[in-house]
Amino acid sequence: GENVGLHLPTLSVQEGDNSIINCAYSNSASDYFIWYKQESGKGPQFIIDIRSNMDKRQGQRVTVLLNKTVKHLSLQIAATQPGDSAVYFCAEPYEGAGTALIFGKGTTLSVSS
Amino acid sequence: GAVVSQHPSWVICKSGTSVKIECRSLDFQATTMFWYRQFPKQSLMLMATSNEGSKATYEQGVEKDKFLINHASLTLSTLTVTSAHPEDSSFYICSARTGQPPKGNVLTFGAGSRLTVL
Repeated sequence: GENVGLHLPTLSVQEGDNSIINCAYSNSASDYFIWYKQESGKGPQFIIDIRSNMDKRQGQRVTVLLNKTVKHLSLQIAATQPGDSAVYFCAEPYEGAGTALIFGKGTTLSVSS
Repeated sequence: GAVVSQHPSWVICKSGTSVKIECRSLDFQATTMFWYRQFPKQSLMLMATSNEGSKATYEQGVEKDKFLINHASLTLSTLTVTSAHPEDSSFYICSARTGQPPKGNVLTFGAGSRLTVL
């Protein structure tokens, strides 16, 4: 299957800064992407998703950008807070497993006060 | 919103014993559930797709005789780790599809079950 990978394993920011988490994907046929947040010892939580017919989608304090030309996805978090500290994964549908998701390696976001 | 519940949240067992983990959809029916495994500081890896009323579909490299999956109802899937060994120690997470089109691929995850095999 195709892999959804992450550029940077860790990101450290100060409270109030904007955070940008990146993801590279290899399957040019992928048409849907999801960002999940996983806090320590917990299951992943849905943050935001985007379809391939869009290049930008905004949520509350979060924005996802999709660049299909270079197969790159990013998650921007505005005014990062200590509660945003977690591991962030991008994911895409896994055609080989009946709509399961395949996850990238993950980026650990650490927010200091 | 949709909630997926897992039990137990953590379990310690002796090598050679079997452990059962339950995954329930609390306020919706899930004909399909997915089991993932996550080792420390690693990503989630899909183990198997659990189908209500039929056999589970296992990913390559996952032993179906070791990881028994039963999906007997529309709200319950169970994963049994048989004859557990220390290398089976991991974080097991189940999920179910809860999104309706166009978000049909969104999965809601349980809180996970931490298995430690001594």
